[in-house]
Amino acid sequence: AQSVTQLGSHVSVSEGALVLLRCNYSSSVPPYLFWYVQYPNQGLQLLLKYTTGATLVKGINGFEAEFKKSETSFHLTKPSAHMSDAAEYFCAVTSGTSYGKLTFGQGTILTVHP
Amino acid sequence: NAGVTQTPKFRVLKTGQSMTLLCAQDMNHEYMYWYRQDPGMGLRLIHYSVGEGTTAKGEVPDGYNVSRLKKQNFLLGLESAAPSQTSVYFCASSYLWLAGARPEETQYFGPGTRLLVL
Repeated sequence: AQSVTQLGSHVSVSEGALVLLRCNYSSSVPPYLFWYVQYPNQGLQLLLKYTTGATLVKGINGFEAEFKKSETSFHLTKPSAHMSDAAEYFCAVTSGTSYGKLTFGQGTILTVHP
Repeated sequence: NAGVTQTPKFRVLKTGQSMTLLCAQDMNHEYMYWYRQDPGMGLRLIHYSVGEGTTAKGEVPDGYNVSRLKKQNFLLGLESAAPSQTSVYFCASSYLWLAGARPEETQYFGPGTRLLVL
């Protein structure tokens, strides 16, 4: 079984401040981990993913995430928030062995204040 | 490429009515999925397909049926709509490739269909 917990359903930051969105997972096998972003009234867009190899993963729009096996975490960060980053962010996990078994977290809404 | 498209974008149904949501992808992906998104619950998998002519149940399949008659299309049907099926429905598609010992997969999502059941 696999599960994802996103800590904080709403995160608010000022423009230029650090963005930190937290994600913890549980998986019985080595996980594949994803962050998706959803802008208002749109579908989900892949930000970044971790499968194997380097644990620090860089994605689009200046975001990055670090896979920490010992902490079962995959937190998303961005050094300096931009107004255009305001969206809902979803962390997801799959084992890579069962098709269609992408499990999503509850989502975190990021608000960026000027 | 259009990617993943969904039809319709928005629909209002009365309880007991039926409808079909269409998902189409032009990326030649083998795998297709239907999710529903509800506030505070993320996305939950309804049904999925690993190839033309095949379908399988996901996490929340009750009240829905699917068909994959053509590789590029994946249809989601509601035979008798209920207010609990008010949601935003997303279709996704993906392909697998072998990277080392385990296959990798990335799902690509459509823009969604907003369904309101009165």
